[in-house]
Amino acid sequence: EPEVTQTPSHQVTQMGQEVILRCVPISNHLYFYWYRQILGQKVEFLVSFYNNEISEKSEIFDDQFSVERPDGSNFTLKIRSTKLEDSAMYFCASSAGLRETQYFGPGTRLLVL
Amino acid sequence: SQKIEQNSEALNIQEGKTATLTCNYTNYSPAYLQWYRQDPGRGPVFLLLIRENEKEKRKERLKVTFDTTLKQSLFHITASQPADSATYLCALVIRTLTFGKGTMLLVSP
Repeated sequence: EPEVTQTPSHQVTQMGQEVILRCVPISNHLYFYWYRQILGQKVEFLVSFYNNEISEKSEIFDDQFSVERPDGSNFTLKIRSTKLEDSAMYFCASSAGLRETQYFGPGTRLLVL
Repeated sequence: SQKIEQNSEALNIQEGKTATLTCNYTNYSPAYLQWYRQDPGRGPVFLLLIRENEKEKRKERLKVTFDTTLKQSLFHITASQPADSATYLCALVIRTLTFGKGTMLLVSP
């Protein structure tokens, strides 16, 4: 069964550094998403991406964040100048269509020191 | 903004019993509602989707109901097993997918 994959599974970085989180969505899916989950809190929407453009973004997704689909398979989340409060699990998801079921990857645990 | 409440943070039941989890929402009625399972340190796993014009949906031992008048969804696991122990998340789709905080279910042998 096809699944969303994410790398790395864990990332430790120093405050102020840039990180890139990578995702490979399910191959025939057209919509891609990033979510985050701070420890003990709920899963929060960050951004959705379709047709090489951001289609929706939350208040969390400010200028510190950017997304890119650099090739036909990868979908990346870049966090510039990381802060302590960026420490969280980051989940990538994909769906075949708008408002269709989203399938989540296993997540990248980001720790900012 | 949309608010989602799941009835309790934790629910303990005995193996073989039916677990019932509640999801209440405020404001806009979503086009549909989904339930996900999340194990510690893992991503949410899709379980069931129910649309606003559907009252009930079943999949094996799982059943979901959706009452748009009460603005509530109930999620049932019948004949529960210890392997069902996990956090169950309710999620609504209006423009984006919005999750509740989840209910941690513990099924004791």
